[in-house]
Formats: sequence, structure tokens, C-alpha cells
Amino acid sequence: ETGVTQTPRHLVMGMTNKKSLKCEQHLGHNAMYWYKQSAKKPLELMFVYNFKEQTENNSVPSRFSPECPNSSHLFLHLHTLQPEDSALYLCASSQEVGLAITSGTDTQYFGPGTRLTVL
Amino acid sequence: DQQVKQNSPSLSVQEGRISILNCDYTNSMFDYFLWYKKYPAEGPTFLISISSIKDKNEDGRFTVFLNKSAKHLSLHIVPSQPGDSAVYFCAASSSGSARQLTFGSGTQLTVLP
Repeated sequence: ETGVTQTPRHLVMGMTNKKSLKCEQHLGHNAMYWYKQSAKKPLELMFVYNFKEQTENNSVPSRFSPECPNSSHLFLHLHTLQPEDSALYLCASSQEVGLAITSGTDTQYFGPGTRLTVL
Repeated sequence: DQQVKQNSPSLSVQEGRISILNCDYTNSMFDYFLWYKKYPAEGPTFLISISSIKDKNEDGRFTVFLNKSAKHLSLHIVPSQPGDSAVYFCAASSSGSARQLTFGSGTQLTVLP
């Protein structure tokens, strides 16, 4: 399998449930990202991992907990979510965070997303 | 406040004609700009990019123009094809933000046969 994959593609959960989203990249990249896309809104960056280390947490509530066991895998653990957390969650990867623009390798490649509905 | 704005949520164009998608930004520190295309049920895919040291970058039917003084960029698709129908996102980054991407809200392009 190539590119960036995400599972599950669709998830419906109650506010008291605990679930996890999984992302896997087969591009040999070292940086991975979680984004949230709500209806009619821009993609919002949630977390950034570079060489398995979290480098960015954009004021995301603690009910979202990321995990990056290696450069190829990224998880987003969910617990006690709210209905307003319903959105498309996108994973992306890139060669390495912060590469110079002239290298042309800081392009991010996205997975298909997980459509999350919180009841 | 949105730093990257795509003011047209939708655009319809006849097949064979030019599609022009616009994007404005407010952060003068942005120095690298990208366009992504997104089909339903798929993630965004990279289309074309431009560095602030250039004012034009061309790749086949796709050309991106950058007007730094106006803080405006545009994506031209010529000729437009029905398969180009998708949501197009503009994104920007700066070295000061470790190349994190700031996205616009997207423009739905529909190319009519």
C-alpha cells in the first residue's frame, strides 16, 4: 500500500466512548500531522510530530490525545468528546518539519480522513 | 481572524474555458504558497506551489500567480476539464512558523461539460 492511509474512514461515537484514529504513511517521511476540518471552515492544524517528537500542539483540548510510536504511525486517541468535535480528521505527512522552501520537500501529503460523528 | 482567505466558496466554469481561483492572505511573513485539490471522500492532494521569490509557476494546465504587494495569489486552470471539479484549497507557510500550513476555507470548482 502506498501514500497515507487512515482508519477507520467513518466513526460514530457517544460522548462517553473512547476510540482511536489511526494513520499510517508509506512515504518514508519523518513528520506527521493531525488536522481537523469542520464544515465550511479551513483545515485547522492540531498536532505536529517530527521524528516521533511532538513539536506542536495548537491549543487542542486534552480530550484529544495524540501518539506517535514511530515515524510511520500516528494515532489520535479520543475520549469524552463533544458533539462540536464532529468533523473530518485528516492525517498528513511530510519529509521533515521546517525544511527550506527551496528544497521543495516540505509538501504535505494527506490521507483520506476519518469522518467523525459525536452523538 | 483568518490569515488565508478564499472569498469565493464556489465557481462554475464551462469545459475548455479558463478557471481562475483566488486567494488572499494577510500575514506578510508568508513566503511559500501551495494549492491543494480535494475530491469527495479523499484527502487533499498537492497541486502546485510557489515561492515568494517568484511571481509565476507553471505546471501543465495549472499556473499559479503571486502578487506580493497585493498579498494575493491565483490559480489558473487552462483548459478546464470536468475532472477538475473539486474543492481547491490555498495554503501558506513561513519559515518563522516552522513551515506549518495555514489553509483557506476552499473553493468548490465545478466544470460543466
